Amino acid sequence: DIVMTQSPDSLAVSLGERATINCKSSQSVLYSSNNKNYLAWYQLKPGQPPKLLISWASTRESGVPDRFTGSGSGTDFTLTISSLQAEDVALYYCQQYYDNPPWYTFGQGTKLEIK
Amino acid sequence: QVRLQESGPGLVKPSESLSLTCTVSGGSISNSYWSWIRQPLGKGLEWIGFIYYNGITNYNPSLKSRVTISIDTSNNQFSLRLGSVTAADTAVYYCARSPTKWEPLYNWGQGTLVTVSS
Repeated sequence: DIVMTQSPDSLAVSLGERATINCKSSQSVLYSSNNKNYLAWYQLKPGQPPKLLISWASTRESGVPDRFTGSGSGTDFTLTISSLQAEDVALYYCQQYYDNPPWYTFGQGTKLEIK
Repeated sequence: QVRLQESGPGLVKPSESLSLTCTVSGGSISNSYWSWIRQPLGKGLEWIGFIYYNGITNYNPSLKSRVTISIDTSNNQFSLRLGSVTAADTAVYYCARSPTKWEPLYNWGQGTLVTVSS
């Protein structure tokens, strides 16, 4: 199994400041044949469907504000929120969809709050 | 835009089976992979398994012995059955969609809380 480890577990950032969440996989999720990283980021808010923010490590999904940026390759990845807004308070999860079983594995999650 | 909605009992007794249904609207259930994911309270997301529209399934090995996922293409629904539940199965259960099994989960339901308690 590929184990996904996020850091930190929780994070408090002032409004307008940068928030950075890290995700490390126990083995590479970069598929050499197409040079794609099989890594996604999700945002979870209570009472709402989870939202896919970033796919392929760095592709921002349609409608996602450009303050959200995904980066990294291989085993080390980062989700950056450049200027934190109140509506960004949520749980954030990374996920690999490269190797199986099991088909999908998630990080343990990072709770993002306002300082 | 594809929408997913989970439904089913919110309370299940220990040792019994948990059954949930996901209804898909705004698109066909064909040609996609349909997953169940859960989040125990205070814990992280755990993928349970998926089913392809043709009925092929794949389950998380940690749950495989207790899980059955089925699909009803005529009603645009797929279902989860988890047997022999314990308190550890108390969680918010989500259904979700990916176009292929090599892509992320693009569409999710809002989740339903299932509590295992006598």
